[in-house]
Amino acid sequence: DSGVTQTPKHLITATGQRVTLRCSPRSGDLSVYWYQQSLDQGLQFLIQYYNGEERAKGNILERFSAQQFPDLHSELNLSSLELGDSALYFCASSGRVAVKAGELFFGEGSRLTVL
Amino acid sequence: QKEVEQDPGPLSVPEGAIVSLNCTYSNSAFQYFMWYRQYSRKGPELLMYTYSSGNKEDGRFTAQVDKSSKYISLFIRDSQPSDSATYLCAPGRSGGSYIPTFGRGTSLIVHP
Repeated sequence: DSGVTQTPKHLITATGQRVTLRCSPRSGDLSVYWYQQSLDQGLQFLIQYYNGEERAKGNILERFSAQQFPDLHSELNLSSLELGDSALYFCASSGRVAVKAGELFFGEGSRLTVL
Repeated sequence: QKEVEQDPGPLSVPEGAIVSLNCTYSNSAFQYFMWYRQYSRKGPELLMYTYSSGNKEDGRFTAQVDKSSKYISLFIRDSQPSDSATYLCAPGRSGGSYIPTFGRGTSLIVHP
């Protein structure tokens, strides 16, 4: 158990809809990362938050947004969903920004299926 | 050219075999080299890491880095069916706000 909690584990929705994925980082971790994993693209970085502030952006679509709350949990909002958004969405946390780059603790992911 | 490249496999071996998993990267600033293991329907977990060039051993696992050729390897001795998973390399550098970049991962299947 990594200590990172993600909900929901599975989500099925229709095109055009909006969903929210939630992540609780490990206790004490200030940094949260969101990744998207699909079969053909591998693990793609979306966005990072550190102590409530956006720190870095990757290949995140404009239809997607995220935030980190004062209690350090984070939410990833996906809107106007398309079939191609079907993927596993992972949240990861780390103790400090890039203390040892690459050392992340991942949740079990939220599997999104868009029909 | 992608920053981190891995052959997706699958690589299928018999139990007890020595497995070699490889990864190449393009950024010469990388100093840390991580290997993550991901079981089916689970999140990746850190397996081991090395710093700069050289070898690091942890039980049946050995990580090797050759910075001159930008080549990373993970060796698994006496492979077990429980080693069946996807192995992702993730090089990185310390400091600043660098975001770990993952290879696509290599799927390993160890059959009894």
